[in-house]
Amino acid sequence: GESVGLHLPTLSVQEGDNSIINCAYSNSASDYFIWYKQESGKGPQFIIDIRSNMDKRQGQRVTVLLNKTVKHLSLQIAATQPGDSAVYFCAEIRGRYGNNRLAFGKGNQVVVIP
Amino acid sequence: DVKVTQSSRYLVKRTGEKVFLECVQDMDHENMFWYRQDPGLGLRLIYFSYDVKMKEKGDIPEGYSVSREKKERFSLILESASTNQTSMYLCASSRRWGPSSYEQYFGPGTRLTVT
Repeated sequence: GESVGLHLPTLSVQEGDNSIINCAYSNSASDYFIWYKQESGKGPQFIIDIRSNMDKRQGQRVTVLLNKTVKHLSLQIAATQPGDSAVYFCAEIRGRYGNNRLAFGKGNQVVVIP
Repeated sequence: DVKVTQSSRYLVKRTGEKVFLECVQDMDHENMFWYRQDPGLGLRLIYFSYDVKMKEKGDIPEGYSVSREKKERFSLILESASTNQTSMYLCASSRRWGPSSYEQYFGPGTRLTVT
């Protein structure tokens, strides 16, 4: 919602530039990670996922990089557009298969400057 | 198209009132979840359910209960609302099994204010 972005790390990006959003995770046993995007007034929406046996995955204008050594995840957005302004959350899987749930990071706000 | 709906976008209740937040999904998903979202704290899991009549506590269940009488509907109940339960509440659902079972689909949220 409109107050979700308060108190969050904020990345201000010029339209057309690339954005990089970072996330540290805690559980070295996590084997699946997801990035979600939340626009103002909406619920989070799935962007891209990656399994722990990969270190890179590409989607449309987005790339996720996974560094298991330092437990770090990043989301790269190419040619950032005004519609990319949102809060971005990384999430890792907790629990066992069939009873899995997600643990979310606190989020990063991206503000695109036209 | 996948859809998760929540009964209210905005709700204002008084301290001590019993509050019901309803969530319905039309995807025949087994799993359903309730989160609360507060500025700077991200999404925190309150309760989740893997099947009808089944429920498990999440990270912050205190002050809340849930009900899942039908597969498509998951209700969050605040037995006696308090001001520290003022928050954005998000419902989500997912498949329990299969290659996309980790992906959760979210509703638009209910902004609850307790005065």
